[in-house]
Amino acid sequence: AQSVTQLGSHVSVSEGALVLLRCNYSSSVPPYLFWYVQYPNQGLQLLLKYTSAATLVKGINGFEAEFKKSETSFHLTKPSAHMSDAAEYFCAVSLSGKTSYDKVIFGPGTSLSVIP
Amino acid sequence: NAGVMQNPRHLVRRRGQEARLRCSPMKGHSHVYWYRQLPEEGLKFMVYLQKENIIDESGMPKERFSAEFPKEGPSILRIQQVVRGDSAAYFCASSLTPRARETQYFGPGTRLLVL
Repeated sequence: AQSVTQLGSHVSVSEGALVLLRCNYSSSVPPYLFWYVQYPNQGLQLLLKYTSAATLVKGINGFEAEFKKSETSFHLTKPSAHMSDAAEYFCAVSLSGKTSYDKVIFGPGTSLSVIP
Repeated sequence: NAGVMQNPRHLVRRRGQEARLRCSPMKGHSHVYWYRQLPEEGLKFMVYLQKENIIDESGMPKERFSAEFPKEGPSILRIQQVVRGDSAAYFCASSLTPRARETQYFGPGTRLLVL
């Protein structure tokens, strides 16, 4: 069964510092992977997704993530944190299967705080 | 192209009342998913619907909760006889197809408070 873990429920970084949010998945077949961001009192917005075209995926707002099959990871990074990056970040995985639809499983989320 | 619409954005109910949450998917999307987010917790899948069909309701409580997606009109998540534990944010998402590579687009959510 597929699952997603996000190491660190809360991460704090200084403004201008590197942002690294961790995501590991488990699956027996190649996955599709997503990162979503949720700002306070809002819905989830897609940051980026991996669909097997390229292992390094660039998203919106300067974020990128690298798919590493050997480590079953899809960590999210941004070189320089901005105050506006403070939000909840969710990693998600979905697998192509033989059923009528492919379920998306969300990780528990990581809350990012940016310190001025 | 309007995004996923949900209303109301905030809903207050007293214990025992009914809550009706509405979701209009993105134009052209016929696949709708409902999720619940409890305070300080992640998203939990509730139900997946296509037009006039419930495909997967494995995440929905067996009692008091129901969902529909009629041929015309929005998808409705209905909670009967609400209890305080139902207080949460309920999100609707839609997609063009139900396949793994497809993005789910989320609405702004309905925040339900049960007094």
